[in-house]
Amino acid sequence: ETGVTQTPRHLVMGMTNKKSLKCEQHLGHNAMYWYKQSAKKPLELMFVYNFKEQTENNSVPSRFSPECPNSSHLFLHLHTLQPEDSALYLCASSQDRPKGELFFGEGSRLTVL
Amino acid sequence: AQSVAQPEDQVNVAEGNPLTVKCTYSVSGNPYLFWYVQYPNRGLQFLLKYITGDNLVKGSYGFEAEFNKSQTSFHLKKPSALVSDSALYFCAVRDTGAAGNKLTFGGGTRVLVKP
Repeated sequence: ETGVTQTPRHLVMGMTNKKSLKCEQHLGHNAMYWYKQSAKKPLELMFVYNFKEQTENNSVPSRFSPECPNSSHLFLHLHTLQPEDSALYLCASSQDRPKGELFFGEGSRLTVL
Repeated sequence: AQSVAQPEDQVNVAEGNPLTVKCTYSVSGNPYLFWYVQYPNRGLQFLLKYITGDNLVKGSYGFEAEFNKSQTSFHLKKPSALVSDSALYFCAVRDTGAAGNKLTFGGGTRVLVKP
């Protein structure tokens, strides 16, 4: 139990589908993150939320739509994805202070056909 | 802009031998430095961090890292590697001299410990 739970762990979708990834943290943190991890590429920060407010969007295509209804939950809504979007999507949380480490979920492995 | 480099894509070591994973960084202010490990099909797990104080930091699973300001390095070490240490290791840095509290990860180093 890492304290950060991601569902589903695996997802296969077609390019015309709409799906969502869910993340829940039980650590009382106030910052949550979405990262993308592709083969042979560095970890890519996608979105950051602090106290439910989006504070960072790293030029992510609009086919990825984040939602943070409260400090414990984070969603990533997916629509009309491309095969190159296939990757491991990692959610993380932290206290919003520079000394704090991130706590990661197990990831959602996404395959776009 | 802050950056972090892990110069080795892969490190191979025999079980029982010392393990070193290299990390160098570039920041404008003082660095906060972190090491994470990722086992296959899992998320990243925090190992240790350097914020201030003693340059030698001890962390989980017998790992330690030494902060060297003059060489801008933060190498991860373990005196005696185990086969179960085989994983992907990431170094990360926050630049206290930059706005935004951004955490930058290195490209990762795969460690293979052979029996």
